Amino acid sequence: EDKVVQSPLSLVVHEGDTVTLNCSYEVTNFRSLLWYKQEKKAPTFLFMLTSSGIEKKSGRLSSILDKKELFSILNITATQTGDSAVYLCAVEGYGGSQGNLIFGKGTKLSVKP
Amino acid sequence: DTGVSQDPRHKITKRGQNVTFRCDPISEHNRLYWYRQTLGQGPEFLTYFQNEAQLEKSRLLSDRFSAERPKGSFSTLEIQRTEQGDSAMYLCASSYRTGVETQYFGPGTRLLVL
Repeated sequence: EDKVVQSPLSLVVHEGDTVTLNCSYEVTNFRSLLWYKQEKKAPTFLFMLTSSGIEKKSGRLSSILDKKELFSILNITATQTGDSAVYLCAVEGYGGSQGNLIFGKGTKLSVKP
Repeated sequence: DTGVSQDPRHKITKRGQNVTFRCDPISEHNRLYWYRQTLGQGPEFLTYFQNEAQLEKSRLLSDRFSAERPKGSFSTLEIQRTEQGDSAMYLCASSYRTGVETQYFGPGTRLLVL
């Protein structure tokens, strides 16, 4: 059965710290991996990763995918209180799960001033 | 605002009642998805449409749930004879299918069944 596992489930840091969030997956015929940020409402898109070893960056956030080891990491540098949210990892596969995303439970990040 | 919109944003109903939610996707998007999210969990896929055709349904979608997208634009999700276990956030997302796609989510409809 396809699954996505995120770790840690929760994390508390102080402003200015750097954090690394982990996502491992098992999916039939991998197509893409996506990261979302969810505050008190719907998830907002951060990154889509399809190729191994190519880092995607957006400001203080970056992410990379390892298709051999079946995991991805999301890095946030110089964290701010506005980064506090649940970070969701989702995977899409071909075949039986084509067209839908399988989500992990998320990592709840709390950034303290 | 040209994002995905959902209506209503909140719904409180009594057990046994029927409820209907609406989703308006981003206008040029041909795919529309419904997810359900409960507290502390990631979203769970329910069903999706490509244009007006319903292409996949999760086994989570019991007989009491039905979704339509009659003209390939907006979609409705109906829950009949609601149960307390149906209480959740119902999320809609849309995408434009051109190979690898990105799904953009609406604000969700939060359902509470008393």
